[in-house]
Order: sequence, then structure tokens, then C-alpha cells
Amino acid sequence: QVQLVESGGGVVQPGGSLRLSCAASGFTFRTYGMHWVRQAPGKGLEWVAFINFAGETKYYAESVRGRFTISRDDSKNMLFLQVNSLTADDTAVYYCARDGNNWDLDFWGQGTLFTVSS
Amino acid sequence: QSALTQPRSVSGSPGQSVTISCTGTSSDVGAYNFVSWYQQHPGKAPKLMIYDVTRRPSGVPDRFSGSKSANTASLTISGLQGEDEADYYCSSYAGRSWVFGGGTKLTVL
Repeated sequence: QVQLVESGGGVVQPGGSLRLSCAASGFTFRTYGMHWVRQAPGKGLEWVAFINFAGETKYYAESVRGRFTISRDDSKNMLFLQVNSLTADDTAVYYCARDGNNWDLDFWGQGTLFTVSS
Repeated sequence: QSALTQPRSVSGSPGQSVTISCTGTSSDVGAYNFVSWYQQHPGKAPKLMIYDVTRRPSGVPDRFSGSKSANTASLTISGLQGEDEADYYCSSYAGRSWVFGGGTKLTVL
């Protein structure tokens, strides 16, 4: 069965950096695009970034463009999100999700929380 | 990338039907038939319920259905059950980006 497991969350100071990871299993990872989506405490979902199956096409939300970088390692079935220049507004649970090839997000991980705080 | 507009809350009694609307623009909902709906129970990850406006993934009950007219998509849940109480989010592909709605809390009375 499809499984996505995020890690890398924690507490980070404003202006700091972090790398989130997502371990994928139960499907042929290299043939699927992947997303990161975040959810601030008590708030709704916000799409963050997308990477296509080949890793050559990347899209970002305006709110994170230039600060966040999505990448993947198909040899390890891993998805990453490098987050830099963090502010309190970036505090959220970050989910990785598989793109279902119809521009939908068909499987989601359980999420990893990071808090930006001094 | 403005969020799609959803009602903050809806409610219904067991066995009844409810419809949740999702209003976007001609750049997202109105431009593509790539509207999807997600169910999220408290403390849990979202779950895909509808994709491509009307299609249901395997395992999703046929009580859930989707539709779209112009810039507004809708999710209808018929035969409400207690387990349907959750937050529901719509989403649309918007050309090199995706946009979500603000979420609707469904209460089963």
C-alpha cells in the first residue's frame, strides 16, 4: 500500500533553515509527481510546491518562491523540501502528497510540524 | 493565488443531503476540469474524495458526488452519516500552481 512518511520538523528560529524529508513506499516513486502542502495551526490547507516525476519541472506558491526548494532522490524514494529565511508565518504541519496524474493529490502522509519561534 | 471560497460551515441530520460550494475564478475552477475535494478529520491527514470534478477514487462511497458550473464547483453528500462529520476542502489546478479553498466544517446533527 502507498505510504508517505514525513520527517524533519522541529523548532527553528526566525531566519533559520530546515530540510524536510518524505520517505515513499508501496508504489513506483520515480513515475509520480509529488507535492508539499502545509497547514498552519487551526487553519486551512495551502499548496506549497510541486515536482514532476523526472524532477525537471518545479512549481512554487508565491508565498515561498525564492525561499523554498523542492527536490527528489529517486534512488532512495525520497522527496525533500529545503526551507530558508523562515518567518512565523511558515509555522505549519507540512504534508507530502502524491500527484495522482490528474492534478489531484491522491495520497498524503501524516505530516511533520515545524514551528518558527525565537 | 487567492484561495477558493467555501462556506465556513454546513450541517445536516443523518440521512439528509448537504452541498458544499467552492467558488473560484476563470483562471482556476472555470479554466480546468481538475477540481478535487478532500476530507480531513481532526488530527488526520486529508483524504481524496473526488477528482476531475466528478470522479470518485476506489473505496469512496457513491454518496459523495461532485459537479461544476462555470467558476463554481460543488460537493454533495447524500445519506449523511456520523462519520462524514469532518472538514472538507476543494482544490483546483490553476496552471503551474494549485489553490485550495478555505475549508468547510460539516456537522452531522
